[in-house]
Amino acid sequence: QGQLQQWGAGLLKPSETLSLTCAVNVDSFNLYYWTWIRQPPGKGLEWIGEINHSGRTNFNPSLKSRVNISVDTSKNQFSLSLTSVTAADTAVYYCVRGHTVTRFVRFDSWGQGTLVSVSS
Amino acid sequence: SSELTQDPAVSVALGQTVRITCQGDSLRTCYASWYQQKSGQAPVLVFYGTEYRPSGIPGRFSGSTSGDTASLTISGAQAEDEADYYCNSRDTSDKNQKLLLFGGGTKLTVL
Repeated sequence: QGQLQQWGAGLLKPSETLSLTCAVNVDSFNLYYWTWIRQPPGKGLEWIGEINHSGRTNFNPSLKSRVNISVDTSKNQFSLSLTSVTAADTAVYYCVRGHTVTRFVRFDSWGQGTLVSVSS
Repeated sequence: SSELTQDPAVSVALGQTVRITCQGDSLRTCYASWYQQKSGQAPVLVFYGTEYRPSGIPGRFSGSTSGDTASLTISGAQAEDEADYYCNSRDTSDKNQKLLLFGGGTKLTVL
């Protein structure tokens, strides 16, 4: 099994809330920023946001009003919530381990990805 | 906010050397990282900074930076290197906001 395993609903209707969870199977959970990145079909990667072990978050301004990321350190899990989804939110969503408090920013471990489709 | 700009497509003959570039103001103060994504798969980190290659990545992948441009070089491209390549860095234009950026991606074709 990979170090990051994710799950959540793959088919939503417009206006519903997207919810995904990622379980982390690594040591030193506290050393990283746990990140969500998405990729619309046939398009590039978009950083959604991140959280650290203490709950400090950063979000992409383009999604900030609709997104929340939470963490459960007792289970080494973190979750994504995106409200009021539209067809434009259709994408593969990845949970990722991030090194983002350094000049050598990088994402070195990725979940398997979850395709979330929004359709009426 | 800043942007990271990549050429949409690049091609290289089998065994030759190819350079994939990423241009953006943030690269003057924050190093780029590079990801390879094959069809239907999650991206894989292949290089970051100017000297760091993750374990398991072939030595033909290397990186460099000059001013506002970062480059990923593949020396002796192989058929299995055909993929989409993305650069990533941090937007440094607003110190009050943390924003991570990706380039639009470069589709590499190995001829």
